[in-house]
Amino acid sequence: ETGVTQSPTHLIKTRGQQVTLRCSSQSGHNTVSWYQQALGQGPQFIFQYYREEENGRGNFPPRFSGLQFPNYSSELNVNALELDDSALYLCASSLRQGGNYGYTFGSGTRLTVV
Amino acid sequence: TQLLEQSPQFLSIQEGENLTVYCNSSSVFSSLQWYRQEPGEGPVLLVTVVTGGEVKKLKRLTFQFGDARKDSSLHITAAQPGDTGLYLCAGLGTNTGNQFYFGTGTSLTVIP
Repeated sequence: ETGVTQSPTHLIKTRGQQVTLRCSSQSGHNTVSWYQQALGQGPQFIFQYYREEENGRGNFPPRFSGLQFPNYSSELNVNALELDDSALYLCASSLRQGGNYGYTFGSGTRLTVV
Repeated sequence: TQLLEQSPQFLSIQEGENLTVYCNSSSVFSSLQWYRQEPGEGPVLLVTVVTGGEVKKLKRLTFQFGDARKDSSLHITAAQPGDTGLYLCAGLGTNTGNQFYFGTGTSLTVIP
């Protein structure tokens, strides 16, 4: 079975620009969660998608938005980039929502905003 | 926000030593997971604990969930250089649906 793949692996953007990050979930997983991880810190929950609908959101502004597609792949969009958005963005898929199902994480997209 | 504090934040030990990492919160969690993350990679799930007081063993790693489901510990026996990495605990709140709260992380370095 394939794991979670994220693209691109690295990205440099200018403040004010928009960015789209992509995630292909593990085969058979219908839930995708996105996390932001600043250097030296634990991941912070952005939002989760279950069967193409947003199913929970963390403390992030509306300029962070997402989509999930029928094949359960997902996108994270960030508008009006700020310097503090520089971080590792992680996508995690799971078989279902809920805590008894382990998350499989991708290797992340390293976003640098200059 | 349900905060998970991990201690210590940094740990550097010699190969063969034992160590314990702690994950504490004032909130109750319905389940708790431990992950290990290596540089440039995403976290990899080590274990999920669900029941208060539960103890799980994974080779040289022993995980315990507190009786009140507010804290957890990870004990590593005879640490190896391959254990080096960032250890993260993550708790699922009892009333927050699907949001996993990650701890602040413990960076472990095992010196050969």
